[in-house]
Amino acid sequence: SQTIHQWPATLVQPVGSPLSLECTVEGTSNPNLYWYRQAAGRGLQLLFYSVGIGQISSEVPQNLSASRPQDRQFILSSKKLLLSDSGFYLCAWTGNAGELFFGEGSRLTVL
Amino acid sequence: QKEVEQDPGPLSVPEGAIVSLNCTYSNSAFQYFMWYRQYSRKGPELLMYTYSSGNKEDGRFTAQVDKSSKYISLFIRDSQPSDSATYLCAMSGGGGTSYGKLTFGQGTILTVHP
Repeated sequence: SQTIHQWPATLVQPVGSPLSLECTVEGTSNPNLYWYRQAAGRGLQLLFYSVGIGQISSEVPQNLSASRPQDRQFILSSKKLLLSDSGFYLCAWTGNAGELFFGEGSRLTVL
Repeated sequence: QKEVEQDPGPLSVPEGAIVSLNCTYSNSAFQYFMWYRQYSRKGPELLMYTYSSGNKEDGRFTAQVDKSSKYISLFIRDSQPSDSATYLCAMSGGGGTSYGKLTFGQGTILTVHP
């Protein structure tokens, strides 16, 4: 069965520091992968999606970037974090009908 | 106006009650409708998935979609304390460029007390 792993689970970073969140998927090949962010009191917002290695689409212009160096690996990065980057970051892959399956999430607090 | 509106609650019910959770939406292009359950500090878990209008039942859960009213519901029968979580509705237009791009409601916080 397919599983999705995210790390780190929790991260506290100062403003201006870099960020790297990693997501890997097991049990499937060439998945569509997504990064969503869930801010306090708000719904999930799509940040990036990828249909294959090196292919990244950005949904929201912001301080973040994404990369897909391997088929089952999706990375979310920032060179300099802002306070507004705090939130719960979720990686997901799609089932046959476009439904999303999420990882356990990475909680980022920027101080 | 948000594309998807969901009452954030919180909703508190006694164990054994029937719970009704609802979302309204404005985009008539939405065809795929989902309900997710999210426990505190965890990723959302897919509960129900429906296409277009109609009902779908899975154990104690029933999802209803009324596209004419742009209204979807999730019913939980015989609610249990383990059902206490945040419930998120989500929807999309389906294939093509919409694949995997879901629009979510804000989530309803549900507490089922013994």
